[in-house]
Amino acid sequence: AQTVTQSQPEMSVQEAETVTLSCTYDTSENNYYLFWYKQPPSRQMILVIRQEAYKQQNATENRFSVNFQKAAKSFSLKISDSQLGDTAMYFCAFMVNTNAGKSTFGDGTTLTVKP
Amino acid sequence: ETGVTQSPTHLIKTRGQQVTLRCSSQSGHNTVSWYQQALGQGPQFIFQYYREEENGRGNFPPRFSGLQFPNYSSELNVNALELDDSALYLCASSPAGDRGGEQYFGPGTRLTVT
Repeated sequence: AQTVTQSQPEMSVQEAETVTLSCTYDTSENNYYLFWYKQPPSRQMILVIRQEAYKQQNATENRFSVNFQKAAKSFSLKISDSQLGDTAMYFCAFMVNTNAGKSTFGDGTTLTVKP
Repeated sequence: ETGVTQSPTHLIKTRGQQVTLRCSSQSGHNTVSWYQQALGQGPQFIFQYYREEENGRGNFPPRFSGLQFPNYSSELNVNALELDDSALYLCASSPAGDRGGEQYFGPGTRLTVT
């Protein structure tokens, strides 16, 4: 069984600054995907960024980037130039690539961006 | 392209009753997964449907059941509701084939059991 741990229940950051959200996971699988999802107060879950475990290069999407450390089973999310619209709950999730659609989620980090 | 939709938005039921939640998947997606998200927690995988058949189940009792229809829309049925079933129920659809684990979530149905 896989587990995903997000050790920061709440974080805050000033607008325009950089923040890093932490995630660790445990698995015996070798081929999998890792995701960061954003869930604003309106509650629609939106994919922020995705990392394929076989790729050593860290994924980036505009202001969002990850630090993927496969040996350490760590997958942190860095948000640069934080914006007020980044305020949301952020979930780290894991999916074995042979079990498409079956994700294991962490309990989330509530991020507040302050003006 | 229409995204994932769910109905109803909110629902209040009494303990012991039965409830049906509905989900329409995104166009071209043949896989639907259901998740339960309790307040303050991450989503928990309930089950998945692929081509109208259950294709994997999480740690949920048999009173949680589902259906998928030929148009790939889906239902989640919960019998004998318990207070702990109060949660946000999320539906997610995935495209055919392994497209990098893409999942698209609906807005959810908030179920309150009193």
